Amino acid sequence: SQELEQSPQSLIVQEGKNLTINCTSSKTLYGLYWYKQKYGEGLIFLMMLQKGGEEKSHEKITAKLDEKKQQSSLHITASQPSHAGIYLCGAGKGAQKLVFGQGTRLTINP
Amino acid sequence: DAGVIQSPRHEVTEMGQEVTLRCKPISGHNSLFWYRQTMMRGLELLIYFNNNVPIDDSGMPEDRFSAKMPNASFSTLKIQPSEPRDSAVYFCASSPPGTHLYNEQFFGPGTRLTVL
Repeated sequence: SQELEQSPQSLIVQEGKNLTINCTSSKTLYGLYWYKQKYGEGLIFLMMLQKGGEEKSHEKITAKLDEKKQQSSLHITASQPSHAGIYLCGAGKGAQKLVFGQGTRLTINP
Repeated sequence: DAGVIQSPRHEVTEMGQEVTLRCKPISGHNSLFWYRQTMMRGLELLIYFNNNVPIDDSGMPEDRFSAKMPNASFSTLKIQPSEPRDSAVYFCASSPPGTHLYNEQFFGPGTRLTVL
């Protein structure tokens, strides 16, 4: 079955620093999603990647899907307190179903 | 426009009681998903509907769980009888029709269920 491994599980960075979160699959990824979740709230869609080598950016967040479509990275430049939360990657599992990684808890220290 | 609406936001009940969670998807969306999130198991898909029809319920834990979608603007997830291990945050999500197999899913704020 499709399983997604996220690393690290938690991350604490100083405000203004760059950071990277990884999402790795044992199988080819068909549709890779990045979501952000704040405590007590639902998931907010960030980006979706489909093609090998694809890269997308939104404000200071960039996501990439490797050429083999088995790994994705999420990079945040010049982190801000508003970036704090839990980041989840999700992948298609056939017929609209998504399977999610365990999430990466990001803390930004002022 | 309103997003996905879930009620209640918080539910505390005693073991053995019936619990009903409600969801109103975004207008115009034709797919609806119920997820459960726990620390141990993360975010899991329980069941999803397409055009009000249940497509895949393989994630439903056991017969105590049931879900319905009587019309395009309303769905329920029922647990009867509830057990402490059902304590979790339950999310509803909806997605619009489209040509892509995996359309973006819009999540509601979740219902935090505590079974004592």
